[in-house]
Amino acid sequence: QKEVEQNSGPLSVPEGAIASLNCTYSDRGSQSFFWYRQYSGKSPELIMFIYSNGDKEDGRFTAQLNKASQYVSLLIRDSQPSDSATYLCAVKGGGADGLTFGKGTHLIIQP
Amino acid sequence: KAGVTQTPRYLIKTRGQQVTLSCSPISGHRSVSWYQQTPGQGLQFLFEYFSETQRNKGNFPGRFSGRQFSNSRSEMNVSTLELGDSALYLCASTHDILYNEQFFGPGTRLTVL
Repeated sequence: QKEVEQNSGPLSVPEGAIASLNCTYSDRGSQSFFWYRQYSGKSPELIMFIYSNGDKEDGRFTAQLNKASQYVSLLIRDSQPSDSATYLCAVKGGGADGLTFGKGTHLIIQP
Repeated sequence: KAGVTQTPRYLIKTRGQQVTLSCSPISGHRSVSWYQQTPGQGLQFLFEYFSETQRNKGNFPGRFSGRQFSNSRSEMNVSTLELGDSALYLCASTHDILYNEQFFGPGTRLTVL
């Protein structure tokens, strides 16, 4: 059974600092990796996706993928109070697979 | 471009009833996936439709079913509702040909009494 593991938190980070969120996955055949942000009472919002080993940057967000270690991370630079949310890591295998989600990390940015 | 829409947004049913939820994907997207989100289990994959065909199915009982129409709109049905079916049901839309990122709709909050 495919599993995606995340630390549930809460992870508390001071405003302006770097928030680091981590995720491990069990299926070595996984091909695509996604980070979603979910505010309380709202649906998940896609913020980053990565398909190849290495880093991918988009504004204040950097996704990092290490397939050998089966590890994905998300860095948020210059954290803002509006970044306070639950961050969901999702993994997709090759072919017609649905996304397998972690339970999410609750991030709190302290002003 | 309009996002994914889901109707209704909120629904209250009693045990034993059935329910149908609707999802309209982003214009041009051909794949629709459905997920169930509960506090205990998190987000779990129900099924995926592409070109009116179910391509993949998660580990849910046969009471959960779905379909997709020629305009890519999708419906999911839950029969013989149980208390444990209370959840947020999310639909996600994917272009699938050009890219496979999934974009979620606002969800339908189902409460079973």
